[in-house]
Amino acid sequence: QPVLSQPPSASVSLGASVTLTCTLSSGYSNYKVDWYQQRPGKGPRFVIRVGTGGIVGSRGDGVPDRFSVLGSGLNRYLTIKNIQGDDEGVYYCGADHGTVANFMGIFGGGTKLTVL
Amino acid sequence: QVRLVESGGGVVQPGTSLTLSCAASGFSFRDYAMYWVRQAPGEGLEWVSTISDHAVNRYHAGSVKGRFTISRDNVKNILYLQMNSLRTEDTAMYYCARATRDDSGFYCDYWGQGTLVTVS
Repeated sequence: QPVLSQPPSASVSLGASVTLTCTLSSGYSNYKVDWYQQRPGKGPRFVIRVGTGGIVGSRGDGVPDRFSVLGSGLNRYLTIKNIQGDDEGVYYCGADHGTVANFMGIFGGGTKLTVL
Repeated sequence: QVRLVESGGGVVQPGTSLTLSCAASGFSFRDYAMYWVRQAPGEGLEWVSTISDHAVNRYHAGSVKGRFTISRDNVKNILYLQMNSLRTEDTAMYYCARATRDDSGFYCDYWGQGTLVTVS
């Protein structure tokens, strides 16, 4: 099954932009990936879905258009522009894999985003 | 609006059982697959189980297969996770999530706030 790899941490200054990366393991370049935000002490929140053609469907409820995505090869990118304080948290990428006979969900290890 | 409220967590001893519930409202529950996802203290997200909209298909992670069972009541709009033979490594916050399907699979577009299970 695919493995999703994420850098453990990133930092960005207030008002700046940051790009987070989720990398699929070899052989899974056609997979779509979902981005989730988890603020401290809260449950995860769906942000956006991305394939090689970019965004798939709509952003999650209340997610501003400062959040955008790009997909290239094995990489799925989440860019956040004009960083705000409440963008701080852990960002996970996720995907599902398999068929009706053997389905599974997969998550990356998460990138902790610190706003300076 | 979509609301998912988990309950049933607590402190239990190894080897015992516990059933988690997730009460859904604000959408047509019977039309959506549902997930359970857990998060051990200080760790990342781990997929646990998925159930299809009418419970025809159920899937469990290898780490819980044979011990956990996902189920649902589409009349009461409740998702369940029956957990047997609990181990210390099952200690985690357990989240339920609604799964929306598109042409390439599922994504979890709404999540609850979680219920904490401590096995000690």
